[in-house]
Amino acid sequence: KQEVTQIPAALSVPEGENLVLNCSFTDSAIYNLQWFRQDPGKGLTSLLLIQSSQREQTSGRLNASLDKSSGRSTLYIAASQPGDSATYLCGEGSGNTGKLIFGQGTTLQVKP
Amino acid sequence: NAGVMQNPRHLVRRRGQEARLRCSPMKGHSHVYWYRQLPEEGLKFMVYLQKENIIDESGMPKERFSAEFPKEGPSILRIQQVVRGDSAAYFCASSNVGPPGNTIYFGEGSWLTVV
Repeated sequence: KQEVTQIPAALSVPEGENLVLNCSFTDSAIYNLQWFRQDPGKGLTSLLLIQSSQREQTSGRLNASLDKSSGRSTLYIAASQPGDSATYLCGEGSGNTGKLIFGQGTTLQVKP
Repeated sequence: NAGVMQNPRHLVRRRGQEARLRCSPMKGHSHVYWYRQLPEEGLKFMVYLQKENIIDESGMPKERFSAEFPKEGPSILRIQQVVRGDSAAYFCASSNVGPPGNTIYFGEGSWLTVV
C-alpha cells in the first residue's frame, strides 16, 4: 500500500527562522513529488514540482529536495515570515495516471 | 489566465438529494482530477479524466458517484442520493500534460454539506 507521511504534524517557529518540513513515501516507482500550501478554507497552491529524475527545485525562499533511495523529500523554507503560516502538503505522483497520494500535512505557524 | 474554477463554492443538500459539482480547468488544460478532503482526513484522489475519457477512477466510491469531462463544457462530479458521510470539500485540479511533468493546479474547492 502506497503511503505518504509528513512529520511533524505541526510546527511553530519565530519569524526569521529557517525550517525543514519532511515527507516520506513508500513507493519506489515515484513519478514526481509536488509540494503545496493550503490556507484555511482554501484550495491548494502549488509550490514546487520535482520530477523523479531531479534532485531538487528552488523557488525564492523555498527549496525542495527528493531522495528516491531513502523515500524522502524535504521542503526548506528560509527566513520564515508570518505569511508563510499555512498547512503544507506533499503529494507523491505514483503511476502514470497522474494521481497524487497526499500526506496529512504539516501545519506551520510563524510567530511575529 | 484564470485558474481552475469550481462552482458552487458551497452547497447544502438534504439526504437523498443529488449534488452536482462543476469544474472548469485552466485554459489549455485537458487533464482534470477530482479529490475529496473529509473532515480530519487527508486529501484523497477520486478520479482522473481527459476530454471525454475516464483514465483512472480507482478512488471513486463504487456507487452513487460519477464523473465526466465532456468535449465541451466543464467537468462534472455527480453524487446521487447523498448521505451525511458525503459532507466534505471536493477539489478539482488540472494540468496541461500528463505525468511526470504535470504540475497540478487546484481550484478553491466546493464544500458540500449534507443535512
